[in-house]
Amino acid sequence: QVQVVESGGGVVQPGRSLRLSCAASGFTFSTHAMHWVRQAPGKGLEWVTLISYDGINKYYADSVRGRFTISRDNSKNTLYLQMNSLGAEDTAVYYCASTDSGSYRDAFDIWGQGTMVTVSS
Amino acid sequence: DIQMTQSPSTLSASVGDRVTITCRASQSISSWLAWYQQKPGKAPKLLISKASSLESGVPSRFSGSGSGTEFTLTISSLQPDDFATYYCQQYNTYWTFGQGTKVEIK
Repeated sequence: QVQVVESGGGVVQPGRSLRLSCAASGFTFSTHAMHWVRQAPGKGLEWVTLISYDGINKYYADSVRGRFTISRDNSKNTLYLQMNSLGAEDTAVYYCASTDSGSYRDAFDIWGQGTMVTVSS
Repeated sequence: DIQMTQSPSTLSASVGDRVTITCRASQSISSWLAWYQQKPGKAPKLLISKASSLESGVPSRFSGSGSGTEFTLTISSLQPDDFATYYCQQYNTYWTFGQGTKVEIK
């Protein structure tokens, strides 16, 4: 079945880096644009970044631009999020998400279970 | 950037009630709007896309309407499983979520 599974979360000190992974299965990963969405504790959903199916086009929320980098390895069916210069405001559950169509302009009907990132000294 | 504003933030209702949640966009998004349901500790679940298209497997008591800048999600008869937080999302220009509406037991 269609599935994405995030990993790599944990506790990290302010200013440090962390890389999240998202392993996809059950669909043709290489034809799907992929997103990261995050949710701070007790807060709403925030779109973070998108990467096109071929890795060429990338878009970022203002809150992470210049600090986070999205990438993918289609040979491994895996999406990544490199997070640098982390701050307390980055503490959140990070979800990997996509659309059934693979298109940018579509609702997110593929979600992982999320991985928790806690930025704390 | 397109801002999405949901109202109310919290809604207290009883089983069997008709419930309506409103979502307003800061500029026209045509019908590029989705509604999600999220329960504590779980990922969001897509209910409705393109403002009014019900996803497969979603109960028919859920419906969506609107276009342009004003949208609504209606639950015709609230069931115990529907107590959750609901989010709207625009995908016309980038992707933006509303702040959420928590539907709680009255």
